[in-house]
Amino acid sequence: AQSVTQLGSHVSVSEGALVLLRCNYSSSVPPYLFWYVQYPNQGLQLLLKYTSAATLVKGINDFEAEFKKSETSFHLTKPSAHMSDAAEYFCAPTYSSASKIIFGSGTRLSIRP
Amino acid sequence: IAGITQAPTSQILAAGRRMTLRCTQDMRHNAMYWYRQDLGLGLRLIHYSNTAGTTGKGEVPDGYSVSRANTDDFPLTLASAVPSQTSVYFCASSRGGDGNSPLHFGNGTRLTVT
Repeated sequence: AQSVTQLGSHVSVSEGALVLLRCNYSSSVPPYLFWYVQYPNQGLQLLLKYTSAATLVKGINDFEAEFKKSETSFHLTKPSAHMSDAAEYFCAPTYSSASKIIFGSGTRLSIRP
Repeated sequence: IAGITQAPTSQILAAGRRMTLRCTQDMRHNAMYWYRQDLGLGLRLIHYSNTAGTTGKGEVPDGYSVSRANTDDFPLTLASAVPSQTSVYFCASSRGGDGNSPLHFGNGTRLTVT
């Protein structure tokens, strides 16, 4: 069965530091991979999407993610964290149809001043 | 502003009562979804609809029903609420149901069943 793992339910970094949020999907390669962000008391918003056109995907707010088939990973990074990046982030591989989206359990990102 | 509107924002409901959560989108998206979000469990799909007139069951459909009479509206009904249905409910839509289109989410309905 397809699955997704987000390592670390909570990640804390200093303002200006590198952000790395990990996502590993199960062995079968999903056609599409998404990262979503959820700010407090809001719904999820699209950060970026992978569709096999390029392994390095750029998203909003300087976030990017790299698809690595050999590692079954799609980690999310940002070179320099801002206080406004504090939110929960969800990795979501999608198999065959939108009803087959699998959301990770989420990683809460905190930013220290 | 185009998007998804959910109502109510929050609700406290006595167990055994019937409740309908409303969801309306103005983006003319074909596909719509209902998720519940629970701490530690992420988002779980309750029901979905790939186009008006059709619906499907998701991962956790028991105790819930949906209808899709038109493109814009996708109400979720709890026929007889139970405490385990206490959760935050999100409605979402996408242009197509093929998985290529990203989901657009509403701001959620926080439901407490006592």
